[in-house]
Amino acid sequence: DTGVSQNPRHKITKRGQNVTFRCDPISEHNRLYWYRQTLGQGPEFLTYFQNEAQLEKSRLLSDRFSAERPKGSFSTLEIQRTEQGDSAMYLCASSLSPDRAYFGPGTRLTVT
Amino acid sequence: RKEVEQDPGPFNVPEGATVAFNCTYSNSASQSFFWYRQDCRKEPKLLMSVYSSGNEDGRFTAQLNRASQYISLLIRDSKLSDSATYLCVVNFNNDMRFGAGTRLTVKP
Repeated sequence: DTGVSQNPRHKITKRGQNVTFRCDPISEHNRLYWYRQTLGQGPEFLTYFQNEAQLEKSRLLSDRFSAERPKGSFSTLEIQRTEQGDSAMYLCASSLSPDRAYFGPGTRLTVT
Repeated sequence: RKEVEQDPGPFNVPEGATVAFNCTYSNSASQSFFWYRQDCRKEPKLLMSVYSSGNEDGRFTAQLNRASQYISLLIRDSKLSDSATYLCVVNFNNDMRFGAGTRLTVKP
């Protein structure tokens, strides 16, 4: 399968804990996006990488959130000191051009 | 005002019906436009791009009105398998912004 993969698929954590998610984009895709989606809402933009450079970060992303793409391939999204409001589906997408983005299956985070 | 706004839905239509979804966007400098489809508990998948001249793909027709900052999606002869949430997407400088989605249920 050469699609976008995300791990883990599900994560349950206690409030205050740190969590890290991984996204492996389609190989050769230089663009990588992170989104957050809650029930009944569309995906909310979090951040965007072109190769290893983080070119944009949403104002919604508090300082508890950090994302990296160290070698321009896979990316990680870390949430520190999780809060219940962080419970959501975290989606990663990659693309070669602005015309089409391919999404991974997402990581569902539940903060208890 | 939200950057991308869609019809609230839900739309419940019988098989064979024609249904239209609308979307407006706030950034007049937006560069490209898309409709994505999202099935329940699945990731969004590209349905079609939207071009200024309008474009058609089988039963689906998308139109863009830049002057009014408005995008539409028309589905003709709807099928049960069209039941999903349809997301309007607007792209500005590689920043893809999604609408909240419109849920469609096609009933037998």
